[in-house]
Amino acid sequence: EPEVTQTPSHQVTQMGQEVILRCVPISNHLYFYWYRQILGQKVEFLVSFYNNEISEKSEIFDDQFSVERPDGSNFTLKIRSTKLEDSAMYFCASRVGAARTDTQYFGPGTRLTVL
Amino acid sequence: AQSVTQLGSHVSVSEGALVLLRCNYSSSVPPYLFWYVQYPNQGLQLLLKYTSAATLVKGINGFEAEFKKSETSFHLTKPSAHMSDAAEYFCAVSASNAGNMLTFGGGTRLMVKP
Repeated sequence: EPEVTQTPSHQVTQMGQEVILRCVPISNHLYFYWYRQILGQKVEFLVSFYNNEISEKSEIFDDQFSVERPDGSNFTLKIRSTKLEDSAMYFCASRVGAARTDTQYFGPGTRLTVL
Repeated sequence: AQSVTQLGSHVSVSEGALVLLRCNYSSSVPPYLFWYVQYPNQGLQLLLKYTSAATLVKGINGFEAEFKKSETSFHLTKPSAHMSDAAEYFCAVSASNAGNMLTFGGGTRLMVKP
């Protein structure tokens, strides 16, 4: 069964460094998402992406964050200058179509630790 | 705007006992609701979803949920817990905006005692 994959599974970085988290969505899906979960807290929406542009973003998704689909398969989240509070599990998700009822399929996550 | 509240961050049941995980929603539009499960060190896996076709929804692994509009609830149940059900369970509602992002509840960690 097709699945969303994410790399790396763990990333440790120093505060102020740039990180890129990578995701390969399911191949025929058109809508892509990033969520994060700070330890002990809710899963929070960051951004949605469709047709090579951001369709929605949350207040968390400030100028330090960016997303890109550099080729036909990868979907990346970049954090330009990491802060301690960016430490979290980051989940990528994809969805085949535009209906609210369409399932979002999640990847296994990347655990980001900012020191 | 939509929101979801899960009552009980931790629920403990004995193997073979009924599992009941509570989810209440708030939505200004007809809600579409989802239950996801997260096993340790894994991503979120869809258990079931409510799409207005039927109020009682059956999912994987013997779980089901009933949508009750009058109570704004979408509680998850399973008649008999297995040890393998131990995981974190998330209720979520789909937004009505262009991105249709999911808004999650705080999660409920289910522990199953032998």
